[in-house]
Amino acid sequence: AQTVTQSQPEMSVQEAETVTLSCTYDTSESDYYLFWYKQPPSRQMILVIRQEAYKQQNATENRFSVNFQKAAKSFSLKISDSQLGDAAMYFCAYFNFGNEKLTFGTGTRLTIIP
Amino acid sequence: KAGVTQTPRYLIKTRGQQVTLSCSPISGHRSVSWYQQTPGQGLQFLFEYFSETQRNKGNFPGRFSGRQFSNSRSEMNVSTLELGDSALYLCASNPTGGPGETQYFGPGTRLLVL
Repeated sequence: AQTVTQSQPEMSVQEAETVTLSCTYDTSESDYYLFWYKQPPSRQMILVIRQEAYKQQNATENRFSVNFQKAAKSFSLKISDSQLGDAAMYFCAYFNFGNEKLTFGTGTRLTIIP
Repeated sequence: KAGVTQTPRYLIKTRGQQVTLSCSPISGHRSVSWYQQTPGQGLQFLFEYFSETQRNKGNFPGRFSGRQFSNSRSEMNVSTLELGDSALYLCASNPTGGPGETQYFGPGTRLLVL
């Protein structure tokens, strides 16, 4: 079974600084998708960024970028120029064509220090 | 477009009762997935419906069931409630449930079982 591990239950960063959230996953598949979702205190989860496993280029969305290391099965999220609105739970998620469901990590709670 | 809506937002039930939660997907979305979120277990996939058919199912007991209507609205039912069913139940929709599609989440229904 696929598993997703987020080893940092909590992280904090000074406003305007850069923070990296870690995610590793376990799979025997070669074709899959990886996602980072954000869940602010209001509870509505939203997609931050996604990566197709067949693409070597790391995905980027404005201040958010990933470091995708397929061989190491690592998928970290970098947030640059952190803003107060970035405070949230961040979930790493994995999807493959075999079981066709999203498997989530346990989340990392990110606090932004003004 | 209006986002994913879930009703009710909060619910208190007692052990042994049953409950029905409702989810209205984004207009045009035909796939609806349900997740259970708890502090201990994180986000766990319950099931996914597409065109009124259950396509995928997670590892939950038969007390958890769902259905989807012709307008893509979905309901989830939990019978014989247990204390451990207290959780945030999230619904997510996407156009076809295809591989790697972004899931659009609703605000969730917080269920408390006493």
